[in-house]
Amino acid sequence: KQEVTQIPAALSVPEGENLVLNCSFTDSAIYNLQWFRQDPGKGLTSLLLIQSSQREQTSGRLNASLDKSSGRSTLYIAASQPGDSATYLCAVPAYGNNRLAFGKGNQVVVIP
Amino acid sequence: ETGVTQTPRHLVMGMTNKKSLKCEQHLGHNAMYWYKQSAKKPLELMFVYNFKEQTENNSVPSRFSPECPNSSHLFLHLHTLQPEDSALYLCASSQDLGGSIYNEQFFGPGTRLTVL
Repeated sequence: KQEVTQIPAALSVPEGENLVLNCSFTDSAIYNLQWFRQDPGKGLTSLLLIQSSQREQTSGRLNASLDKSSGRSTLYIAASQPGDSATYLCAVPAYGNNRLAFGKGNQVVVIP
Repeated sequence: ETGVTQTPRHLVMGMTNKKSLKCEQHLGHNAMYWYKQSAKKPLELMFVYNFKEQTENNSVPSRFSPECPNSSHLFLHLHTLQPEDSALYLCASSQDLGGSIYNEQFFGPGTRLTVL
């Protein structure tokens, strides 16, 4: 059974600092990995999808890396802003189907 | 409307009530999902439908009854719920169920359910 762990569970950083969020998963036989953002009480917004053949994916200030063999992904957010305050979720599908296993999330607060 | 929509956004119900949650996707996808998100716990997959057929029931109590009349619509019928069923219920869709590097899931805004 795929298990996903995200550390740290929560962090606060001053505005302008770079954010580093970590995700690890137990079964490295994955097709892709998704990073989501969730605002309090809201649904999930897809940020990045990294294919298993890729080592990283970039979108604006966001960069996600994937090391499939070691079961790790890292989400970097450059020059953080107060609007980046949210919970960031990492999810991987089980091999052979599209059932997603989620971590508990990284709760981020960016202090103005 | 674009993407995945859910109604209602908020629902308060008593333990003896019957209510339904609705999800609609405008993405032309064939697979739809119900997830439950409780405080301090990871998202839990509840049900999976592919081409209107249920492919997975993740040991969900029978007081939750899903219905998928077509590939664009998914319902979750609720009856005689318990206070511990209070949670955010999220609907998602994807192109299909196949394991694929491109098979991304898109989520709706969720329904915040409170059971009194």
